[in-house]
Amino acid sequence: DAGVTQSPTHLIKTRGQQVTLRCSPKSGHDTVSWYQQALGQGPQFIFQYYEEEERQRGNFPDRFSGHQFPNYSSELNVNALLLGDSALYLCASSFGEGEKLFFGIGTQLSVL
Amino acid sequence: QKEVEQNSGPLSVPEGAIASLNCTYSDRGSQSFFWYRQYSGKSPELIMFIYSNGDKEDGRFTAQLNKASQYVSLLIRDSQPSDSATYLCAVKTTRGGKLIFGQGTELSVKP
Repeated sequence: DAGVTQSPTHLIKTRGQQVTLRCSPKSGHDTVSWYQQALGQGPQFIFQYYEEEERQRGNFPDRFSGHQFPNYSSELNVNALLLGDSALYLCASSFGEGEKLFFGIGTQLSVL
Repeated sequence: QKEVEQNSGPLSVPEGAIASLNCTYSDRGSQSFFWYRQYSGKSPELIMFIYSNGDKEDGRFTAQLNKASQYVSLLIRDSQPSDSATYLCAVKTTRGGKLIFGQGTELSVKP
């Protein structure tokens, strides 16, 4: 039973570029949440997708957008990258209301 | 005021001792509370959840919830060096039901 898979695991970009991160949820899960975790901080909620719709959104600018596909996988897109976007981006999946989250290993994004 | 606050630590305890990790939250209507463990360089993993006031025990771990004081804690009995990690408190808020994390408490268990 595959857990939550994310790709890529590491990414280096320069300021102003755009990035797409990908996530496949754990088998049987239909809800995907994205979190940003800066070094030494707890995960910050970006948004949650359910039934291909953005259900909840945290306090992140519109440069952060996402998508969920019919097979429940999801993408996180970040436009016009800033140095401050450097962080670990975690995808978490759950079923339905999404209380018990299962996390992927994350994508470490470095913006130079 | 942050929605979920934890002592940032680091918290250092000797092997075999009880480690006590604390968390407060601001949304009085919150109903679900979680503790995640995150080893350095790894992703968070769920270790405990609690919904009702009182204590909930699972092996060496005990979660305690006091909704009146808006306080949740995690006790680790007989701490082991393998328990050394960052512990994240998470609360499901009434505002849309999103899961909000605290900043984490780093625990170090010394042999």
